[in-house]
Amino acid sequence: DIQMTQSPSSVSASVGDRVTISCRATQGIGSRLAWYQQKPGKAPKVLIYGASNLQSGVPLRFSGSGSGTDFTLTINSLQPEDFATYYCQQADTFPPRLSFGGGTKVEIK
Amino acid sequence: EVQLVESGGGVVQPGQSLRLSCTTSGFIFDDYAMHWVRQAPGGGLEWVSGISWNSGSIAYAGSVKGRFTISRDNAKSSLFLQMDSVRAEDMALYYCGKAYCNGGNCYIEYWGQGTLVTVSS
Repeated sequence: DIQMTQSPSSVSASVGDRVTISCRATQGIGSRLAWYQQKPGKAPKVLIYGASNLQSGVPLRFSGSGSGTDFTLTINSLQPEDFATYYCQQADTFPPRLSFGGGTKVEIK
Repeated sequence: EVQLVESGGGVVQPGQSLRLSCTTSGFIFDDYAMHWVRQAPGGGLEWVSGISWNSGSIAYAGSVKGRFTISRDNAKSSLFLQMDSVRAEDMALYYCGKAYCNGGNCYIEYWGQGTLVTVSS
């Protein structure tokens, strides 16, 4: 099975900062990667799919890049509402199998 | 409006069984694969199981394989998770999710609010 590893596990940042989160797969997955944001007490929300495609309604300060085994989520000009935990996820279609990274908590500095 | 509502969580003793349900509306249920994802208290997201639109393809995480069974009833737009031989490590908030796949890229487009499973003797 493909395993996903995120780094760092947490990051402290200030409003206006740029934040980058990395995600690595144990084998090549092309661009089959999604990023989610989760706030306390809430279900996750998809931000990016296909490694770099912004989900409708997601602010343009969020961007994704990468292919193969190494991926990055970038948040430009961090806003107060962006303090949350972020997860990467890869998927197989058949069988329908998902794999999540361990998460990265973005905290206020 | 797409809605997913989980139910069936509660307190269960180790070794016992529990059946979770996810009732959906607002989309054509039998067009989409569905998943169960759980989150232990203070922990990250863990994928549990997925099922294709017609139940023809099913997968489980290694941690639950042989103990949990996923199923769906397309006529009732509902997803189920039968949890047998429950263990302490199964204690978590269980989410159901509607998958969206496009050209091999799949992700959970909509999530329920979760149902809490507590394992306690």
